[in-house]
Amino acid sequence: KNEVEQSPQNLTAQEGEFITINCSYSVGISALHWLQQHPGGGIVSLFMLSSGKKKHGRLIATINIQEKHSSLHITASHPRDSAVYICAARPVNFGNEKLTFGTGTRLTIIP
Amino acid sequence: GAGVSQSPSNKVTEKGKDVELRCDPISGHTALYWYRQSLGQGLEFLIYFQGNSAPDKSGLPSDRFSAERTGGSVSTLTIQRTQQEDSAVYLCASSREYRETQYFGPGTRLLVL
Repeated sequence: KNEVEQSPQNLTAQEGEFITINCSYSVGISALHWLQQHPGGGIVSLFMLSSGKKKHGRLIATINIQEKHSSLHITASHPRDSAVYICAARPVNFGNEKLTFGTGTRLTIIP
Repeated sequence: GAGVSQSPSNKVTEKGKDVELRCDPISGHTALYWYRQSLGQGLEFLIYFQGNSAPDKSGLPSDRFSAERTGGSVSTLTIQRTQQEDSAVYLCASSREYRETQYFGPGTRLLVL
């Protein structure tokens, strides 16, 4: 069992739909990252959170430390949101920067 | 301002040759990370530099891999005696301070024939 698991692996939705991508982890963490990888390969860091909820535009990330679960939501989805979304867990012990990555969720938004 | 840059963007080499990959982080960023993304695989942490501290090399897959960061800025990842399984996209990221948001470079696509 991977330490960081994402679901679904693939998601296709119509433009305008509300999107939820899930990330579960089995290790103690100090923070959870959400990354976006565009079709061309470029990676953008979307969120880094250790508790509660963060919002940026149409994107919302939440984390439940007790349940070891995080979600990424996209409201009013648009074709330009089509990308691979990756969560990554940062270890709890200070000085250890070895992020553990999920395998990614490939999102396709159809116009 | 300028983002993280990496060179070359693509590299094709023969098995057994050494390669050097370069990363120029965002100016003033103290932390620098190297990752690898193999075809069909997820991202994999390789090494981390923070200021003048000893690097975290815990992700390097073998002793054929090494990295250095000169003057707290530019970093070079060196792969000696390349193998076909080294073929991957090598990504560099930097952050302003320890454990802050990471900014990724475009990657170097390495193909070992």
